[in-house]
Amino acid sequence: DVKVTQSSRYLVKRTGEKVFLECVQDMDHENMFWYRQDPGLGLRLIYFSYDVKMKEKGDIPEGYSVSREKKERFSLILESASTNQTSMYLCASSSPRLGKETQYFGPGTRLLVL
Amino acid sequence: GQQVMQIPQYQHVQEGEDFTTYCNSSTTLSNIQWYKQRPGGHPVFLIQLVKSGEVKKQKRLTFQFGEAKKNSSLHITATQTTDVGTYFCAALWGFNKFYFGSGTKLNVKP
Repeated sequence: DVKVTQSSRYLVKRTGEKVFLECVQDMDHENMFWYRQDPGLGLRLIYFSYDVKMKEKGDIPEGYSVSREKKERFSLILESASTNQTSMYLCASSSPRLGKETQYFGPGTRLLVL
Repeated sequence: GQQVMQIPQYQHVQEGEDFTTYCNSSTTLSNIQWYKQRPGGHPVFLIQLVKSGEVKKQKRLTFQFGEAKKNSSLHITATQTTDVGTYFCAALWGFNKFYFGSGTKLNVKP
């Protein structure tokens, strides 16, 4: 079974803090994604990566950056957290080699910015 | 960015009734996937549709991809309480980039 883990289930930070969300997958997947999920808006893509050190912006990259130094790990960084970044953050991975491009999601990190 | 419109946003049904959610796009899609997210859980892959007019079934769930590959639907026959959750479509554009619909939250009353 594919396993995608996220470093925290719940996180409380203060405005202006730098926040790191980490995601690790154990299936050697090439692609990794960061989404945020807000009620009524579905899942919105922040960034994705299709290889080590490669990244592409999604729909809402402003205020976020990412890092992929190793294939299994994809980090989302909030440089200076703001209250409008309070949300559920979901990491996912997939592999085009499997032909299905199925995305496997982690359990999510619920971030509250005060 | 690209948009996938999903309706309805909410659906409340009595157990045993049918349920359908729809996804629509203004542009032709490479493929479309469907995911289910249980309350408090994360999205879990259900199925992928690739061919024009494709219909796939999983027990009580029927998935369709439109002839023009611009719309898709998920139909559940005789809903059960275990069907409760939010159903998302996700459309693939270009290289490995997915756009999710806003989801349909299904509530089933026993």
